[in-house]
Amino acid sequence: DTGVSQDPRHKITKRGQNVTFRCDPISEHNRLYWYRQTLGQGPEFLTYFQNEAQLEKSRLLSDRFSAERPKGSFSTLEIQRTEQGDSAMYLCASSASLGGTEAFFGQGTRLTVV
Amino acid sequence: TQLLEQSPQFLSIQEGENLTVYCNSSSVFSSLQWYRQEPGEGPVLLVTVVTGGEVKKLKRLTFQFGDARKDSSLHITAAQPGDTGLYLCAGAGSSNTGKLIFGQGTTLQVKP
Repeated sequence: DTGVSQDPRHKITKRGQNVTFRCDPISEHNRLYWYRQTLGQGPEFLTYFQNEAQLEKSRLLSDRFSAERPKGSFSTLEIQRTEQGDSAMYLCASSASLGGTEAFFGQGTRLTVV
Repeated sequence: TQLLEQSPQFLSIQEGENLTVYCNSSSVFSSLQWYRQEPGEGPVLLVTVVTGGEVKKLKRLTFQFGDARKDSSLHITAAQPGDTGLYLCAGAGSSNTGKLIFGQGTTLQVKP
């Protein structure tokens, strides 16, 4: 296993379009996180899954955002009716629930809404 | 709300100099992680500190967790151009969800 994988790496979309990002975590990790990072800032927590259950969502996650993790493996993050303010780096991380809180990040998906 | 304040936000130094980055909070964290991030890439984990007063060394990097587990520092000795990047501290709360609260980051530029 080579680590957390995210796809696509870059996405340019027009305002109002829907976009979907995928994250494949480290295979033995049962926890998966989505974060958003804007330029010059640290990542901000969006949501968290333990196996297939979505256990926490940030208030940053408006009703235009939805995340899923079917079967507790890969996860998708969908943004509907994108706005320019959604432009950011979307980061996925995974960790094991046993053995501490170390999180390993993917390379991110850079979203640009024009 | 838990917050982490990093300082300085920007640091530009010459190769060979030493530097320290600070990460402070009024909240207690169960653990604290330091990451390094390059432009267009995801953060890469450098170290995790768990015990108050803990010191960990990674080659020329020394990480310290405060006794009260509210603050941390990263010291780099004899910085090299390859150390250039964004350094992020991130704290995990006591809820054991693994959710991380990040500082704003310190952008380090090491000039040859």
